[in-house]
Amino acid sequence: AQKVTQAQTEISVVEKEDVTLDCVYETRDTTYYLFWYKQPPSGELVFLIRRNSFDEQNEISGRYSWNFQKSTSSFNFTITASQVVDSAVYFCALNTGKLIFGQGTTLQVKP
Amino acid sequence: DAEITQSPRHKITETGRQVTLACHQTWNHNNMFWYRQDLGHGLRLIHYSYGVHDTNKGEVSDGYSVSRSNTEDLPLTLESAASSQTSVYFCASSERPAGDEQFFGPGTRLTVL
Repeated sequence: AQKVTQAQTEISVVEKEDVTLDCVYETRDTTYYLFWYKQPPSGELVFLIRRNSFDEQNEISGRYSWNFQKSTSSFNFTITASQVVDSAVYFCALNTGKLIFGQGTTLQVKP
Repeated sequence: DAEITQSPRHKITETGRQVTLACHQTWNHNNMFWYRQDLGHGLRLIHYSYGVHDTNKGEVSDGYSVSRSNTEDLPLTLESAASSQTSVYFCASSERPAGDEQFFGPGTRLTVL
């Protein structure tokens, strides 16, 4: 069975703190893709990153970084020096032909 | 610019009525998807299509149907709306089924009274 677990339902931090959003996935497929999407208060879904199962390189994009570890089936997302504009719901998702979403983590960044 | 649109953006209907939510994409993507978003569940797949005249059931398909007569459109029909179908509905499309990001529409908020 395919499954994505985001154990953190809500996280609250103060601006400039670093924060890590956890994502654990389950699949028996050897080829799969992992995604992170952001859903700001306005409601749209914004694509952040895609990673395939053969590429375990970590990625950094500005204040965002992603840590993919196949050994622990995790694809964690870190925001460095968080800002109020980072407040949103963040979804991790797994795709082996169909996109399976985690339950989402609501991040609140307070000024 | 290519885009994916949904209409209506908000809909209030009564239990038992038939409702159709529209989804239109200009990406020329073969793959289209419908999701519903509910608190505590994230987004769950309702139906999907890999091309014209192809439709498949997703995780939560009961009470919903889709048809695909052209590349651009995948309307979602609630045959007899139920209060449990009150939700936010998102349509999405992608170039490949698995490896590509899905582009999402703005969502339709449906309330069934």
